[in-house]
Amino acid sequence: DAKTTQPNSMESNEEEPVHLPCNHSTISGTDYIHWYRQLPSQGPEYVIHGLTSNVNNRMASLAIAEDRKSSTLILHRATLRDAAVYYCILYSGGGADGLTFGKGTHLIIQP
Amino acid sequence: DSGVTQTPKHLITATGQRVTLRCSPRSGDLSVYWYQQSLDQGLQFLIHYYNGEERAKGNILERFSAQQFPDLHSELNLSSLELGDSALYFCASSVGRYSYNSPLHFGNGTRLTVT
Repeated sequence: DAKTTQPNSMESNEEEPVHLPCNHSTISGTDYIHWYRQLPSQGPEYVIHGLTSNVNNRMASLAIAEDRKSSTLILHRATLRDAAVYYCILYSGGGADGLTFGKGTHLIIQP
Repeated sequence: DSGVTQTPKHLITATGQRVTLRCSPRSGDLSVYWYQQSLDQGLQFLIHYYNGEERAKGNILERFSAQQFPDLHSELNLSSLELGDSALYFCASSVGRYSYNSPLHFGNGTRLTVT
């Protein structure tokens, strides 16, 4: 699977939007972009995924660059509960059929 | 609540012993995945079952094995335990055969401590 690069940590204020970047310059045409997050003492939680077009759901929005070499997870109005490690993962189904988690971005929300 | 149930929540055992971790997937999900999370290795994919059949293996040691039963629950067996096997073990389930387009839903894990 292609590699992703995320900042180690980010800080934001409560009730403000948060933009979490992810670079994936070696992405292939069949790679889906997945985002998961892991709150303290819990298992990872699915956030959103997409292939080419921007995606929205009740948790977040995913903005995918036109060349697909980068993407941004957008939390529209951060709450303290959004403090977590956010993982950006590429996967297309080749090789071992399991998502490969990197180190992710540790998001800190200030009240 | 993801709908994925893992038991037990905590397990403490000695080196050389064998343990079994259990996972009940969400209702309707046919795929079960096992992951190991340790402080130095992060989340590592171990193995994937779909509808009772092994689909893929990741970084799973030969001392570890798993199976998925006809009722779709799964068990991860860890034997000849070593101190380095201490970790959080997560189970995840999904409805589809492939994870690239079928979100995974994770349980809250079993914390294994080997002394």
